[in-house]
Amino acid sequence: SQELEQSPQSLIVQEGKNLTINCTSSKTLYGLYWYKQKYGEGLIFLMMLQKGGEEKSHEKITAKLDEKKQQSSLHITASQPSHAGIYLCGADMMETSGSRLTFGEGTQLTVNP
Amino acid sequence: KAGVTQTPRYLIKTRGQQVTLSCSPISGHRSVSWYQQTPGQGLQFLFEYFSETQRNKGNFPGRFSGRQFSNSRSEMNVSTLELGDSALYLCASSLAGSPVYNEQFFGPGTRLTVL
Repeated sequence: SQELEQSPQSLIVQEGKNLTINCTSSKTLYGLYWYKQKYGEGLIFLMMLQKGGEEKSHEKITAKLDEKKQQSSLHITASQPSHAGIYLCGADMMETSGSRLTFGEGTQLTVNP
Repeated sequence: KAGVTQTPRYLIKTRGQQVTLSCSPISGHRSVSWYQQTPGQGLQFLFEYFSETQRNKGNFPGRFSGRQFSNSRSEMNVSTLELGDSALYLCASSLAGSPVYNEQFFGPGTRLTVL
């Protein structure tokens, strides 16, 4: 099974609707990243969460890391077609130096106008 | 500030050949990580370099190698290419390479096709 599970795998919403994407880990998370990717392109950094209970917002996107640091959610308010793309959560599961992110499979978001 | 750049953006090679991909991190960043993205396996970590030293390594065969130069630019090399090596190769840079303290920024990727 995946160390980092994202749900749902795909999501189709009407413009203006709110939505939530979840990312669940089988291990303690030492750093949790959310990225957005357009098909075949690089990853666009959205947010990084480090501490249990932490919540960050940027424009209409809010991400939270739960207290036990094993789950994160990404919430988009009043979705727009520009929000469409693949959302990926990435996590560092080792409390050691260095970078080694494990990624979820991604959530394909479609926003219909 | 310029972002992470990767060259070339697209490559077509044949089985058995070797290939070198290049990544220039954001100015001042010392850590460069490489990832492979395929439809079947998703995004998988290849290796990370920090101050010219490989600090972390993923579960890839020895055909995949890399290095980092004193200016933090990094290259990865794949020898004896196989069809399964066709993928989007992404590099990411961060200031000091510890995700707990530093954000990681990705480049646009190099699309490698092996025929």
